[in-house]
Order: sequence, then C-alpha cells, then structure tokens
Amino acid sequence: AQTVTQSQPEMSVQEAETVTLSCTYDTSENNYYLFWYKQPPSRQMILVIRQEAYKQQNATENRFSVNFQKAAKSFSLKISDSQLGDTAMYFCAFMKFSGGSSGDKLTFGTGTRLAVRP
Amino acid sequence: ETGVTQTPRHLVMGMTNKKSLKCEQHLGHNAMYWYKQSAKKPLELMFVYNFKEQTENNSVPSRFSPECPNSSHLFLHLHTLQPEDSALYLCASSPWMGFSNGYTFGSGTRLTVV
Repeated sequence: AQTVTQSQPEMSVQEAETVTLSCTYDTSENNYYLFWYKQPPSRQMILVIRQEAYKQQNATENRFSVNFQKAAKSFSLKISDSQLGDTAMYFCAFMKFSGGSSGDKLTFGTGTRLAVRP
Repeated sequence: ETGVTQTPRHLVMGMTNKKSLKCEQHLGHNAMYWYKQSAKKPLELMFVYNFKEQTENNSVPSRFSPECPNSSHLFLHLHTLQPEDSALYLCASSPWMGFSNGYTFGSGTRLTVV
C-alpha cells in the first residue's frame, strides 16, 4: 500500500515571499501520478498541480511549482509571490498508474495548513 | 462551485437518528467517491462507484450505507452513528475510476454526531 507523509502540520509565510511545503511518499511502483490539492476555508478541494512520475521535468503552474525527486520519493510544492488567497490546507496525493491514461485511487497525506500573513 | 454539489453543508444528528448525505454532479462523470476527512488524519477513502457499480468498500462500518442510483447522484445513508464519526465527508467525481488528471471535489458535509 502507498503512504503519503506531510511532516509540516502548519506553515506561515509573509505575503509576496516564497514558501515550500514538503511531501514524501512510499511506494514500490515505478509509474504513478502525484498531486497537490488546496482546500481553502470554503472546504472545496482544488487541484493545484500534477506530476507524472515518468517525466523528469518538474511541473509548473504560474506561481506554483514542484521539486520532484523520484529516487528520494519526495514531492515538494513551492509557492512564489505568496498571496493572501493562498491561505488554505494543502494536501499531497498519490495515484498508482494502472494502464493507458488511468490510475488507481487517490491516496492523501494529512495536509499542511498554510497561513499567508499580510 | 466546481460542479460537484453536496447537501446539506452542515448536519448535526443524534446517535439514534437516520439521515442521508447527498452528492450530485452534472459533469458527465462516471465515477464517484466518498471520502472522510478527520483532523490530523489523511483523507480516508470510504466507497467508490464506477458506472453505478460499487467497486470499493474500505472496511467501512455498516452504519454507513452508500447508494448510487445513477452516475450523477451519490448518497450516504447514516444510522446509529458514533461520536467518532463526526467529520467532514467529501464527495468527488471523475470521468472514470482512476482518471489520472485527478478528481473534482465538492465542498463537503460537516457532520457532528451528538
């Protein structure tokens, strides 16, 4: 079974600064997908960024980027130019590849609560 | 609003009550999921439905009973719950089970068992 570990329960960052959230995972699979989801106070889980394990290039979405280290099984999220609207819970998630363009179930970590200070 | 709607938003129920949570999506998705979110714990996958058929039951107690009458609707029927069942219950959907671009989530039902 896969496990996802987020070792930082809470983080804080000054507005406009950069913050990095950590995530490690344990799997014996070679092909899989990794995700970061954001859950603001509205409680709606929103997909932030996605990484395919077979791609060496780190995924980037505007101010959000990842540092994917496959050998170390590490998948950190970097938020640049932090904004007040980035305040939320951030969840790292893993999905095993199962063929074609499909995977298996999403497995989540415990989350990191990020507060952006004005 | 992402396209997955959950009702009610909040629910307080006694241990002897029977209630139901509802999830609805009109995204044309064929897979639907129930997750339980408790503080300081990973999200727990409870049930998976793929094309209306239940494909996953993660050892969920029988006091939780899912129902999927069609691909657009998912229910979670609750009866004789325990205080430890208090949590945020999230519904999600995807085009098919294991869609590798991830799931679309609703805003959840905050359940309190008293």
